[in-house]
Amino acid sequence: ETGVTQTPRHLVMGMTNKKSLKCEQHLGHNAMYWYKQSAKKPLELMFVYNFKEQTENNSVPSRFSPECPNSSHLFLHLHTLQPEDSALYLCASSQEQGGTYEQYFGPGTRLTVT
Amino acid sequence: AQSVTQLGSHVSVSEGALVLLRCNYSSSVPPYLFWYVQYPNQGLQLLLKYTSAATLVKGINGFEAEFKKSETSFHLTKPSAHMSDAAEYFCAVRGTGGGNKLTFGTGTQLKVEL
Repeated sequence: ETGVTQTPRHLVMGMTNKKSLKCEQHLGHNAMYWYKQSAKKPLELMFVYNFKEQTENNSVPSRFSPECPNSSHLFLHLHTLQPEDSALYLCASSQEQGGTYEQYFGPGTRLTVT
Repeated sequence: AQSVTQLGSHVSVSEGALVLLRCNYSSSVPPYLFWYVQYPNQGLQLLLKYTSAATLVKGINGFEAEFKKSETSFHLTKPSAHMSDAAEYFCAVRGTGGGNKLTFGTGTQLKVEL
């Protein structure tokens, strides 16, 4: 595997379900991100992790719970979601402190909440 | 705080014609600037980046962008459009004052017609 991978690519879940999105980066980066991309809206940054520590939470509802067990893996745990949470969820990584800061994105998980 | 404005949510060009996608930024510090492309059902792919070296930056797929501080612009161009260039393009800015955050524009959908 190369770059940033995300699984699953598609997910349909009911409002009472619990599911998790997984992201893995194979670039040796030290920062990881979750973004939400909804139709006709700008890309929304949700969470930022630097060296496994969460450094930014952009007022994301608690029904989204991130987890970063190491610098290569990032999860987004989902529970009791709402239909308006349906979107493309993108994971990204970057090299901070000595890098040129560009972020590399995974292919995304298309989430549909029914 | 930084911001990005992309003029024109939709741009249509003929195959072989010049592509010009506009991006203006606002940043209180010298910025890092990026252009990304997104094809349907995929993540964002980095096209090119400006990191305070040369003001004319060349990227992948024949695209280039010029940083103009006096105009606070970073427009993306390609001399000759190809059908495969049809996609959504995002401009992003990161201030050098600290923090990982990239601020994205709302995107420009490029259509290439025969």
